[in-house]
Amino acid sequence: SQTIHQWPATLVQPVGSPLSLECTVEGTSNPNLYWYRQAAGRGLQLLFYSVGIGQISSEVPQNLSASRPQDRQFILSSKKLLLSDSGFYLCASLHRANYGYTFGSGTRLTVV
Amino acid sequence: QKEVEQDPGPLSVPEGAIVSLNCTYSNSAFQYFMWYRQYSRKGPELLMYTYSSGNKEDGRFTAQVDKSSKYISLFIRDSQPSDSATYLCAMDGQNFVFGPGTRLSVLP
Repeated sequence: SQTIHQWPATLVQPVGSPLSLECTVEGTSNPNLYWYRQAAGRGLQLLFYSVGIGQISSEVPQNLSASRPQDRQFILSSKKLLLSDSGFYLCASLHRANYGYTFGSGTRLTVV
Repeated sequence: QKEVEQDPGPLSVPEGAIVSLNCTYSNSAFQYFMWYRQYSRKGPELLMYTYSSGNKEDGRFTAQVDKSSKYISLFIRDSQPSDSATYLCAMDGQNFVFGPGTRLSVLP
């Protein structure tokens, strides 16, 4: 079965600082990978998805970017954080066998 | 109209109660329907998935899909305090579309 490792669990960053969140996947190869942001009461917002190394699709214009340097590594970045970037960030991998996602445990980002 | 709507709750029930969680959707092209459970400060985990209309049972959980009404439900029988979590419905599109989640508390 797949396992998603995501870190750190919590992060407090000042406005204008850079960001790098990393996600790695075990137990599968060539996964579809996703970054979601979850705001309270507003559900999951898809930010980026990737079907392979170097292939990134963005769902919404924003202050963030994503990269996939290796098959099982997905990185979410920002050069300068905004207050509105605060939220709960989740990495996910599509599990084709049961047509569902496996999610990481998330990173709670607070921009102050 | 939002693509997927879900009563946000919170919903509080006594232990042992039958719980009904529901979602409505607007896109008739959806074929796969999923329920995720999310404990506080954790990522969602896949609970059940169904394809097209009908029922699917897994232990105390039953997922029901009515495509004609664009309505899906998750029933939890004999609810336990450990069922306290946020439940999100999801459906397939170009990528999955998630409901906002219903927060459930099962009181001992």
